[in-house]
This record gives sequence, C-alpha cells and structure tokens, in this order.
Amino acid sequence: NAGVTQTPKFRVLKTGQSMTLLCAQDMNHEYMYWYRQDPGMGLRLIHYSVGEGTTAKGEVPDGYNVSRLKKQNFLLGLESAAPSQTSVYFCASSYRTGGRQPQHFGDGTRLSIL
Amino acid sequence: KNQVEQSPQSLIILEGKNCTLQCNYTVSPFSNLRWYKQDTGRGPVSLTIMTFSENTKSNGRYTATLDADTKQSSLHITASQLSDSASYICVVIPYNNNDMRFGAGTRLTVKP
Repeated sequence: NAGVTQTPKFRVLKTGQSMTLLCAQDMNHEYMYWYRQDPGMGLRLIHYSVGEGTTAKGEVPDGYNVSRLKKQNFLLGLESAAPSQTSVYFCASSYRTGGRQPQHFGDGTRLSIL
Repeated sequence: KNQVEQSPQSLIILEGKNCTLQCNYTVSPFSNLRWYKQDTGRGPVSLTIMTFSENTKSNGRYTATLDADTKQSSLHITASQLSDSASYICVVIPYNNNDMRFGAGTRLTVKP
C-alpha cells in the first residue's frame, strides 16, 4: 500500500518550458489536491478535485492546469514555467474534506525554474 | 494576512524536555482544526484532528488543545525525542469549504 506517490521527485526546468507532475493514490479517495510550499509560508492550494472528471481552482491557480481523468491520478501541468513557480509541490488525497478524515500527502516534487 | 499564525517560528529543546507550540487563527466558522508533523524532505503527516466542539485530543506523546472562544490551539509534546525534530503545522478547515488554511509551521529541533 503506497499511499500517495508523486513523480518526479526533483526537476530543473528552464523558463518557458512545460512539464507535468503526476500524483497517484491507491486509497480510493474521492478528493485530491495540489499544493505548493514556499519558505516561511503555509501550504497554498493550487487546484483540487472532488471526483473523477472534476477540478476546481484553489488559492493560487494562475499558471497551472490540472486534470483528473482517472480517480487514482491527479496531474498538475505547468504550461510555460516561470522562476516564480520554483517551489516544492505536494499532492494530497482524502475521502472528503472536513470531519475526521485526514489528508494523506505525498513526499513532494522539488521544482526549480532557471 | 495569513488566517493561521503559528509561534514560535522555531524552537530548540533538549531531549526529554516538554514543549508547547501555539496556533492562533481567525478562520470562522470552522469545521475542524488539525496538527500535522512534517519531517525534512517528506510530506505532512496527520497528528490530531479536533472538531470545533472538542477541547483536547491526544496521540501518544502529542496532545492538542483547542479554545474556540479565543481562537487558539496548542500542541504539547511530552518527553521529547530526537525523532520529534520536524516542522509542526496547524491547519484550520473552514465550515463548508474545501480551501484549508495552513499555518507556516514551527520548526522544532530536539538536541541530545
């Protein structure tokens, strides 16, 4: 039982390049989330999904797109990378939001944009 | 302004000592408040979850308290161990909302 798996773990991009971060969960969770974590700041929600085929914007969605074609996968895309997108990206999943259901996090993708 | 403020930003204690981390929030109304532990290079892991009606929740040597009137929560760590060295993050979930509010965390270092 792997939980939440993120790939890749590290990546260096040049400004203007594109890439996709993959998140996979094997807990049959309905909800999935993408966050970014920057020094001195709390995690900020980029996009989230409440089920297969649905996505919604979070607090900082600009410059990112997401897709949830399969329940177990949630993809985060950067169309044209910018240095401001240098960050650590975390994916999480849960049965639902609120209540007593904790979020389960992956170990992050460290992304540097040069 | 962040709706969840944690203090101190960092803390160093000796192994075996107790410590208390603070979380002040302005999110209202809220569904529940959570504390997570994040080891260096890893994702956060849930420690405790308290609904707005609960005052305390324990998980081994970790005890979280909640005062909804003053909008404060604390995480008390008893008999600290080297493995407690990590960042501790307070998270408040607004009522009927998917956008959780994360504090910036307290970085705890436990020294032998």
